[in-house]
Amino acid sequence: QKEVEQNSGPLSVPEGAIASLNCTYSDRGSQSFFWYRQYSGKSPELIMFIYSNGDKEDGRFTAQLNKASQYVSLLIRDSQPSDSATYLCAVNKHDMRFGAGTRLTVKP
Amino acid sequence: DADVTQTPRNRITKTGKRIMLECSQTKGHDRMYWYRQDPGLGLRLIYYSFDVKDINKGEISDGYSVSRQAQAKFSLSLESAIPNQTALYFCATSDLEGTEAFFGQGTRLTVV
Repeated sequence: QKEVEQNSGPLSVPEGAIASLNCTYSDRGSQSFFWYRQYSGKSPELIMFIYSNGDKEDGRFTAQLNKASQYVSLLIRDSQPSDSATYLCAVNKHDMRFGAGTRLTVKP
Repeated sequence: DADVTQTPRNRITKTGKRIMLECSQTKGHDRMYWYRQDPGLGLRLIYYSFDVKDINKGEISDGYSVSRQAQAKFSLSLESAIPNQTALYFCATSDLEGTEAFFGQGTRLTVV
């Protein structure tokens, strides 16, 4: 079992819709959780981080963490074509491990 | 100038050759990481270092070695490159508390 699992997609949503991205992790001792966005051929860039159970909102983005279920999600409201990218879930305990990423396409 | 700089940005090398990828950072972070990225596989951790005297293997360290020459410099070596090491390689840094990782621009390596 991979330490960080994501649905690889691709996920396609119409412009203006909500995109929902999911991630599970295997190590219960994991302490911090991150969502990165990566455009093709570019470096990953941080969108959100979350440390505590519950929801964390930043603009159109909401991260949700459920440590009991070992589950992290990212919601993107009012999706825009510029949100089309690969979204990487990352989990930090002693090091930083990434999932395989979910490719999101937002169609105009 | 970028906070995390990788050199070279692109490299084509032949099977069996030794190659070194370099990473330097100006963020003052203690933790540095080397990842490789292949299509559909996300970022896989090769090696990481918490300080100059601390080097740790990641998920896929076979065929690679690293050197932490200073707090700001972390190099990745392929002693004898093979074609399945063709990938996009990223260096990253984070601060001591293990918060977000900051990435270099990436090195696209092709082994022919």
